[in-house]
Amino acid sequence: AQSVTQLDSQVPVFEEAPVELRCNYSSSVSVYLFWYVQYPNQGLQLLLKYLSGSTLVKGINGFEAEFNKSQTSFHLRKPSVHISDTAEYFCAVNDYGGSQGNLIFGKGTKLSVKP
Amino acid sequence: EAGVAQSPRYKIIEKRQSVAFWCNPISGHATLYWYQQILGQGPKLLIQFQNNGVVDDSQLPKDRFSAERLKGVDSTLKIQPAKLEDSAVYLCASSLDSASYGYTFGSGTRLTVV
Repeated sequence: AQSVTQLDSQVPVFEEAPVELRCNYSSSVSVYLFWYVQYPNQGLQLLLKYLSGSTLVKGINGFEAEFNKSQTSFHLRKPSVHISDTAEYFCAVNDYGGSQGNLIFGKGTKLSVKP
Repeated sequence: EAGVAQSPRYKIIEKRQSVAFWCNPISGHATLYWYQQILGQGPKLLIQFQNNGVVDDSQLPKDRFSAERLKGVDSTLKIQPAKLEDSAVYLCASSLDSASYGYTFGSGTRLTVV
């Protein structure tokens, strides 16, 4: 069965510093990988996704993620964060080769950007 | 393009009462999902529809939860009777057929059972 592990439940960082949010997944088949962001009292918004091809994926708001098949990881990075990036971030996996296509989510990482 | 619409935004009920949530997906999206997000956790799939047919309801507590998607468009999720542990945000999402598109989520309904 597929699963997603987000290694950090909370990440505090100062404004303009770089950040990395870690995500590992387990699946026995090929996968699609996603990162979503959730601002307070809002639904989830797609940041970026990996389907195939280049392992470095660029998304909105200056975020990027790198797919590493050997380490089964899909870590999210931003070189310089802003106060407005304060939110909760969810990694998700879809094992399109073995299921009907629903997403399995990690427990989330709360990013707190301090001035 | 209009997003996924959900109502109500907030609901407070007493345990053992019933409640219903409504979702209108993006026009043309064949697949509709209901997720439950308990505080401090990631969203968990309750049910997945393809048009008006159920694809996956393996994690839906069928003794108290029910969902329908009449005419393959709008959907309602009902809880009867509610328990304290049902307090959560209920998220509706829709997508095109392919798993590669990802989902578009609504803003959710925050349910508090007291």
